[in-house]
Amino acid sequence: DTAVSQTPKYLVTQMGNDKSIKCEQNLGHDTMYWYKQDSKKFLKIMFSYNNKELIINETVPNRFSPKSPDKAHLNLHINSLELGDSAVYFCASSQDGGGGPQRELFFGEGSRLTVL
Amino acid sequence: AQSVAQPEDQVNVAEGNPLTVKCTYSVSGNPYLFWYVQYPNRGLQFLLKYITGDNLVKGSYGFEAEFNKSQTSFHLKKPSALVSDSALYFCAVREENFNKFYFGSGTKLNVKP
Repeated sequence: DTAVSQTPKYLVTQMGNDKSIKCEQNLGHDTMYWYKQDSKKFLKIMFSYNNKELIINETVPNRFSPKSPDKAHLNLHINSLELGDSAVYFCASSQDGGGGPQRELFFGEGSRLTVL
Repeated sequence: AQSVAQPEDQVNVAEGNPLTVKCTYSVSGNPYLFWYVQYPNRGLQFLLKYITGDNLVKGSYGFEAEFNKSQTSFHLKKPSALVSDSALYFCAVREENFNKFYFGSGTKLNVKP
């Protein structure tokens, strides 16, 4: 059973298109994240939700819109894709409630987005 | 402000030799420190963490890390490297109010046979 699963794994699209990435976790965690990993492997936090509430919203273009329909799911929709959006997007989850800052992140396998 | 530094982009070591991957951190409160490993085209996998207590933390795959408060370091170590340990390693620190993880820039470990 995959703990944190993302779909699709690969996404190739044209500039200007709109695309979505979906994430689901079956760990019972209450917090989910989107991270972006660029071509130099830098990891940057984008968003975080705790129990469906947005708690982290970094400086990300408003073309990126996360949605968490329930605490097990976190989706990322990207409008008007640009070349610079090409990256690997990772979903992650953690159990923060009752656990505190010592709880580690569990990552999905990533979704590689290529914008042509 | 919280931050993590991994001063080496790449570490090369021969199989069977000990390895060290360096990490230093800066936090305003108590540090919660983590190491992750990323194999090519895979997600990050948790290796070990320091919360409190013993300065030497043992983790997965024979890895351990030494917390040094005075040097604000959390170096990853393994007594005997394997070729299969070749991967990208990330150090991370979490804020005390635990909303954000800050990741280092990653260190590529190459273990030669």
